[in-house]
Amino acid sequence: ETGVTQTPRHLVMGMTNKKSLKCEQHLGHNAMYWYKQSAKKPLELMFVYSLEERVENNSVPSRFSPECPNSSHLFLHLHTLQPEDSALYLCASSQDAGGAYNEQFFGPGTRLTVL
Amino acid sequence: AQSVSQHNHHVILSEAASLELGCNYSYGGTVNLFWYVQYPGQHLQLLLKYFSGDPLVKGIKGFEAEFIKSKFSFNLRKPSVQWSDTAEYFCAVTPTGGGNKLTFGTGTQLKVEL
Repeated sequence: ETGVTQTPRHLVMGMTNKKSLKCEQHLGHNAMYWYKQSAKKPLELMFVYSLEERVENNSVPSRFSPECPNSSHLFLHLHTLQPEDSALYLCASSQDAGGAYNEQFFGPGTRLTVL
Repeated sequence: AQSVSQHNHHVILSEAASLELGCNYSYGGTVNLFWYVQYPGQHLQLLLKYFSGDPLVKGIKGFEAEFIKSKFSFNLRKPSVQWSDTAEYFCAVTPTGGGNKLTFGTGTQLKVEL
């Protein structure tokens, strides 16, 4: 248990559905991250939030829309996804986003399957 | 932009064998280096990290890694593996002073047989 929780743990959706992934951290951190983990590919950083402000968007398609209402919660809204978007989506948090010395704590991930 | 290469994608060892997993990075400046581990069904967790100082760093569960700057490498080692070390191991790098944006390698799946 790292103090970072994600729901749901598994999600199956059609290409026309709208769904959201939720992440919550109980560590008092100020930075939160979304990563995508696809088979046989490195973890890809998608978004970085620092104090509820998006500070990084790694050329992610607009069908993925992040939201950070406060420093403890992070959402990833999904809309009209493609089958190639099927992957494990990981959330992480750290004390802040500006220092490279801060360890990132990861959640268990949401396994997403797009039909 | 930085990149990380892990050349061993699958490694199978017997218990008590020694382990070395390769990690090479590509980046022109100074970096911070990490090894993360993901046990079956569990979340990704930090195994060890290097920021500066002694290039030989020790982590949890008997793991260690050596930073060789001239080779751009940060190989992970353990003298004697256990069945419970079966997991996927990820090397990651972030530029020093460049924020906390990790770049990961593709991972190495380690299976330890009894």
